[in-house]
Amino acid sequence: VQLQESGPGLVKPSGTLSLSCAVSSDSINNNFWWSWVRQPPGKALEWIGEIHHSGSVNYTPSLKTRVTISMDQSKNQFLLRLTSVTAADTATYYCTRVFSSGSYMDYWGQGTLVTVSS
Amino acid sequence: SYVLTQPPSVSVAPGKTAAITCGGINIGSKGVHWYQQKPGQSPVLVIYYDDERASGIPERFSASNSGDTATLTISRAEAGDEADYHCQVWDSGVDRVVFGGGTKLTVL
Repeated sequence: VQLQESGPGLVKPSGTLSLSCAVSSDSINNNFWWSWVRQPPGKALEWIGEIHHSGSVNYTPSLKTRVTISMDQSKNQFLLRLTSVTAADTATYYCTRVFSSGSYMDYWGQGTLVTVSS
Repeated sequence: SYVLTQPPSVSVAPGKTAAITCGGINIGSKGVHWYQQKPGQSPVLVIYYDDERASGIPERFSASNSGDTATLTISRAEAGDEADYHCQVWDSGVDRVVFGGGTKLTVL
């Protein structure tokens, strides 16, 4: 199973961060969950949220008002959208496969650094 | 909200045993997962559900979880084990994943 993040590496303050995660050698319609995790430079991992093909989603409370995770079954990928970004959102963003809701993450993408700056 | 506490750093001599702790209120009642992250790389699953080794992980890696502390143990430490180690649980109170702050393991 391989996951590959893609999207702009630079986003302006107050703008919207949009990333996609392409999944290969697995179908996002299988009975796994799919999540986004971020890591600011030199800091700890932070869970953003997760999605299941049934339409169920869970978000971390601190980002809930700004984040949307969705799926594009036709492309076998899932998406992250984070609005009203600030410098605090600068981080490496990882997409992962999750065994079951809130469980362990057995596959990770290589990560993509997103910098919020004017 | 639920908090996981890890020591910022742990040092171990080559060939010796390292123990990395992850503290949380009644963490023994939760399933704990551990990840290894080498510099510039993505995290890799090491241990899931307290003490199950992930595929391809050497038997030198083991873990336990009881009371308020989960522990990752690395026996016969090698230079290649140098990495950041992160613990993770599910906070069922607010339906969210929680990570510890990470522990940098140095083998010297």
